[in-house]
Amino acid sequence: DVKVTQSSRYLVKRTGEKVFLECVQDMDHENMFWYRQDPGLGLRLIYFSYDVKMKEKGDIPEGYSVSREKKERFSLILESASTSQTSMYLCASSSHTGNEQFFGPGTRLTVL
Amino acid sequence: AQSVTQPDIHITVSEGASLELRCNYSYGATPYLFWYVQSPGQGLQLLLKYFSGDTLVQGIKGFEAEFKRSQSSFNLRKPSVHWSDAAEYFCAVLNNAGNMLTFGGGTRLMVKP
Repeated sequence: DVKVTQSSRYLVKRTGEKVFLECVQDMDHENMFWYRQDPGLGLRLIYFSYDVKMKEKGDIPEGYSVSREKKERFSLILESASTSQTSMYLCASSSHTGNEQFFGPGTRLTVL
Repeated sequence: AQSVTQPDIHITVSEGASLELRCNYSYGATPYLFWYVQSPGQGLQLLLKYFSGDTLVQGIKGFEAEFKRSQSSFNLRKPSVHWSDAAEYFCAVLNNAGNMLTFGGGTRLMVKP
Protein backbone atom coordinates (compact mmCIF):
# COMPACT_ATOMS: atom_id res chain seq x y z
CA ASP A 1 0.00 0.00 0.00
CA VAL A 2 1.12 3.51 -0.78
CA LYS A 3 1.78 5.42 2.36
CA VAL A 4 2.09 9.17 2.70
CA THR A 5 2.86 10.39 6.18
CA GLN A 6 2.91 13.90 7.61
CA SER A 7 4.98 14.82 10.62
CA SER A 8 2.18 16.27 12.74
CA ARG A 9 -1.60 15.94 12.83
CA TYR A 10 -2.06 19.14 14.84
CA LEU A 11 0.25 22.11 15.21
CA VAL A 12 -0.13 25.41 17.06
CA LYS A 13 2.29 28.24 16.30
CA ARG A 14 2.55 31.94 16.99
CA THR A 15 2.49 34.76 14.46
CA GLY A 16 5.94 35.36 13.02
CA GLU A 17 7.32 31.90 13.79
CA LYS A 18 9.00 29.82 11.10
CA VAL A 19 7.03 26.63 10.55
CA PHE A 20 8.12 23.40 8.90
CA LEU A 21 5.64 20.78 7.70
CA GLU A 22 7.18 17.49 6.65
CA CYS A 23 5.83 14.87 4.27
CA VAL A 24 7.29 11.46 3.48
CA GLN A 25 6.12 8.89 0.91
CA ASP A 26 7.32 5.33 0.59
CA MET A 27 6.40 4.48 -3.02
CA ASP A 28 9.32 6.06 -4.86
CA HIS A 29 6.97 8.58 -6.46
CA GLU A 30 8.49 11.36 -8.54
CA ASN A 31 5.74 13.94 -7.93
CA MET A 32 4.88 15.44 -4.59
CA PHE A 33 2.36 18.14 -3.74
CA TRP A 34 1.33 20.48 -0.96
CA TYR A 35 -2.28 21.66 -0.74
CA ARG A 36 -4.17 23.77 1.69
CA GLN A 37 -7.80 22.96 2.44
CA ASP A 38 -10.30 25.56 3.60
CA PRO A 39 -14.07 25.20 4.01
CA GLY A 40 -15.94 25.89 0.79
CA LEU A 41 -12.74 26.35 -1.20
CA GLY A 42 -11.75 22.72 -1.58
CA LEU A 43 -8.06 21.99 -1.98
CA ARG A 44 -5.77 24.59 -3.47
CA LEU A 45 -2.30 23.75 -4.68
CA ILE A 46 0.54 25.61 -2.99
CA TYR A 47 3.59 23.99 -4.60
CA PHE A 48 4.53 20.78 -6.28
CA SER A 49 7.77 19.02 -7.08
CA TYR A 50 8.40 16.65 -9.99
CA ASP A 51 11.91 15.65 -8.98
CA VAL A 52 14.54 16.17 -6.32
CA LYS A 53 15.44 19.85 -5.98
CA MET A 54 12.76 20.77 -8.56
CA LYS A 55 9.67 22.75 -7.67
CA GLU A 56 6.83 24.57 -9.35
CA LYS A 57 4.45 27.15 -7.93
CA GLY A 58 0.84 26.22 -7.64
CA ASP A 59 -2.16 28.50 -7.34
CA ILE A 60 -1.36 30.07 -3.95
CA PRO A 61 2.43 30.06 -3.30
CA GLU A 62 2.63 33.44 -1.56
CA GLY A 63 3.96 33.17 1.98
CA TYR A 64 5.23 29.62 1.46
CA SER A 65 8.37 27.90 0.25
CA VAL A 66 9.28 24.25 -0.22
CA SER A 67 12.28 21.99 -0.10
CA ARG A 68 12.92 18.62 -1.69
CA GLU A 69 16.39 17.31 -0.94
CA LYS A 70 15.46 13.64 -1.11
CA LYS A 71 12.98 11.89 -3.37
CA GLU A 72 10.80 10.62 -0.53
CA ARG A 73 10.57 13.85 1.45
CA PHE A 74 8.88 17.15 0.65
CA SER A 75 8.82 20.00 3.15
CA LEU A 76 6.55 23.03 3.28
CA ILE A 77 7.97 26.09 4.99
CA LEU A 78 6.12 29.10 6.33
CA GLU A 79 8.87 31.68 6.71
CA SER A 80 6.85 33.94 9.01
CA ALA A 81 3.52 32.42 9.96
CA SER A 82 0.42 34.60 9.90
CA THR A 83 -3.09 34.00 11.19
CA SER A 84 -4.32 33.80 7.57
CA GLN A 85 -2.28 30.61 7.21
CA THR A 86 -4.40 28.80 9.78
CA SER A 87 -5.67 25.88 7.74
CA MET A 88 -5.50 22.17 7.00
CA TYR A 89 -2.42 21.22 4.96
CA LEU A 90 -2.43 18.07 2.86
CA CYS A 91 0.51 16.40 1.18
CA ALA A 92 0.15 14.07 -1.80
CA SER A 93 2.35 12.07 -4.15
CA SER A 94 2.02 10.45 -7.56
CA SER A 95 4.20 8.72 -10.11
CA HIS A 96 5.13 10.15 -13.49
CA THR A 97 3.33 7.30 -15.23
CA GLY A 98 0.20 7.30 -13.08
CA ASN A 99 -2.39 10.00 -12.56
CA GLU A 100 -3.74 9.12 -9.16
CA GLN A 101 -2.53 11.20 -6.25
CA PHE A 102 -2.18 9.57 -2.85
CA PHE A 103 -2.81 11.76 0.15
CA GLY A 104 -1.48 11.98 3.66
CA PRO A 105 -3.80 12.45 6.67
CA GLY A 106 -3.22 16.20 6.85
CA THR A 107 -1.80 18.66 9.37
CA ARG A 108 -4.18 21.10 11.00
CA LEU A 109 -2.16 24.23 11.63
CA THR A 110 -3.38 27.00 13.93
CA VAL A 111 -1.48 30.28 13.99
CA LEU A 112 -2.25 32.45 17.01
CA ALA B 1 -7.61 27.30 -17.16
CA GLN B 2 -9.65 24.40 -15.92
CA SER B 3 -12.15 24.73 -13.10
CA VAL B 4 -14.50 22.49 -11.15
CA THR B 5 -17.79 23.46 -9.53
CA GLN B 6 -19.67 21.46 -6.96
CA PRO B 7 -22.96 23.35 -6.59
CA ASP B 8 -24.07 21.71 -3.36
CA ILE B 9 -22.07 22.60 -0.26
CA HIS B 10 -24.13 20.38 2.06
CA ILE B 11 -26.46 17.49 1.34
CA THR B 12 -28.45 15.43 3.85
CA VAL B 13 -29.99 12.10 2.90
CA SER B 14 -31.65 9.33 4.88
CA GLU B 15 -29.87 6.03 5.26
CA GLY B 16 -30.94 3.70 2.48
CA ALA B 17 -31.90 6.53 0.14
CA SER B 18 -30.20 7.13 -3.18
CA LEU B 19 -27.55 9.81 -3.59
CA GLU B 20 -26.35 12.04 -6.40
CA LEU B 21 -23.56 14.59 -5.95
CA ARG B 22 -23.13 17.08 -8.74
CA CYS B 23 -19.88 18.11 -10.40
CA ASN B 24 -19.44 20.46 -13.35
CA TYR B 25 -16.09 21.11 -14.97
CA SER B 26 -14.60 23.57 -17.40
CA TYR B 27 -11.84 22.16 -19.56
CA GLY B 28 -10.76 22.61 -23.17
CA ALA B 29 -9.95 19.04 -24.08
CA THR B 30 -11.07 15.59 -23.01
CA PRO B 31 -10.92 15.73 -19.25
CA TYR B 32 -9.46 13.27 -16.81
CA LEU B 33 -11.87 13.36 -13.87
CA PHE B 34 -11.73 12.08 -10.32
CA TRP B 35 -13.91 11.76 -7.23
CA TYR B 36 -12.24 11.65 -3.83
CA VAL B 37 -13.78 11.14 -0.39
CA GLN B 38 -12.50 12.55 2.88
CA SER B 39 -13.79 10.98 6.07
CA PRO B 40 -13.58 13.07 9.25
CA GLY B 41 -9.98 13.54 10.33
CA GLN B 42 -8.62 11.64 7.34
CA GLY B 43 -6.81 12.36 4.12
CA LEU B 44 -8.44 11.96 0.72
CA GLN B 45 -9.17 8.56 -0.75
CA LEU B 46 -9.82 7.98 -4.44
CA LEU B 47 -13.34 6.69 -5.17
CA LEU B 48 -13.15 6.48 -8.94
CA LYS B 49 -11.69 8.08 -12.05
CA TYR B 50 -12.59 8.62 -15.68
CA PHE B 51 -10.00 8.82 -18.45
CA SER B 52 -11.78 7.53 -21.55
CA GLY B 53 -14.08 4.79 -22.80
CA ASP B 54 -17.29 3.83 -21.03
CA THR B 55 -18.87 6.98 -19.63
CA LEU B 56 -20.28 5.12 -16.62
CA VAL B 57 -17.47 4.43 -14.19
CA GLN B 58 -17.65 2.10 -11.22
CA GLY B 59 -15.70 2.84 -8.07
CA ILE B 60 -15.15 1.55 -4.59
CA LYS B 61 -17.75 1.39 -1.82
CA GLY B 62 -20.62 0.98 -4.32
CA PHE B 63 -20.19 4.41 -5.95
CA GLU B 64 -20.45 5.16 -9.65
CA ALA B 65 -20.16 8.28 -11.75
CA GLU B 66 -21.33 9.21 -15.22
CA PHE B 67 -19.38 11.45 -17.58
CA LYS B 68 -21.63 13.62 -19.75
CA ARG B 69 -19.63 15.72 -22.18
CA SER B 70 -22.67 17.65 -23.43
CA GLN B 71 -23.39 18.85 -19.90
CA SER B 72 -19.76 19.12 -18.75
CA SER B 73 -20.74 17.02 -15.78
CA PHE B 74 -19.37 14.09 -13.82
CA ASN B 75 -21.97 13.34 -11.16
CA LEU B 76 -21.39 10.80 -8.43
CA ARG B 77 -24.15 8.38 -7.50
CA LYS B 78 -24.92 5.62 -5.04
CA PRO B 79 -28.20 3.66 -5.01
CA SER B 80 -28.40 3.17 -1.24
CA VAL B 81 -26.47 5.31 1.23
CA HIS B 82 -24.99 3.88 4.43
CA TRP B 83 -24.29 5.89 7.59
CA SER B 84 -20.56 5.32 7.01
CA ASP B 85 -20.79 7.33 3.77
CA ALA B 86 -21.05 10.55 5.78
CA ALA B 87 -17.98 12.47 4.64
CA GLU B 88 -16.84 15.26 2.35
CA TYR B 89 -16.64 14.53 -1.36
CA PHE B 90 -14.39 16.27 -3.85
CA CYS B 91 -14.49 16.26 -7.62
CA ALA B 92 -11.26 17.08 -9.49
CA VAL B 93 -9.93 17.46 -13.03
CA LEU B 94 -6.37 16.78 -14.20
CA ASN B 95 -4.45 19.39 -16.20
CA ASN B 96 -3.02 18.97 -19.71
CA ALA B 97 0.42 18.03 -18.48
CA GLY B 98 -1.12 15.28 -16.37
CA ASN B 99 0.51 16.36 -13.15
CA MET B 100 -1.81 18.81 -11.39
CA LEU B 101 -5.35 18.45 -10.07
CA THR B 102 -7.90 21.22 -9.78
CA PHE B 103 -10.49 20.51 -7.10
CA GLY B 104 -14.05 21.63 -6.60
CA GLY B 105 -15.09 23.19 -3.31
CA GLY B 106 -16.42 19.92 -1.93
CA THR B 107 -19.83 18.62 -0.85
CA ARG B 108 -20.39 17.58 2.74
CA LEU B 109 -22.74 14.62 3.01
CA MET B 110 -24.71 13.95 6.15
CA VAL B 111 -26.72 10.75 6.59
CA LYS B 112 -29.84 10.64 8.75
CA PRO B 113 -30.70 7.39 10.52
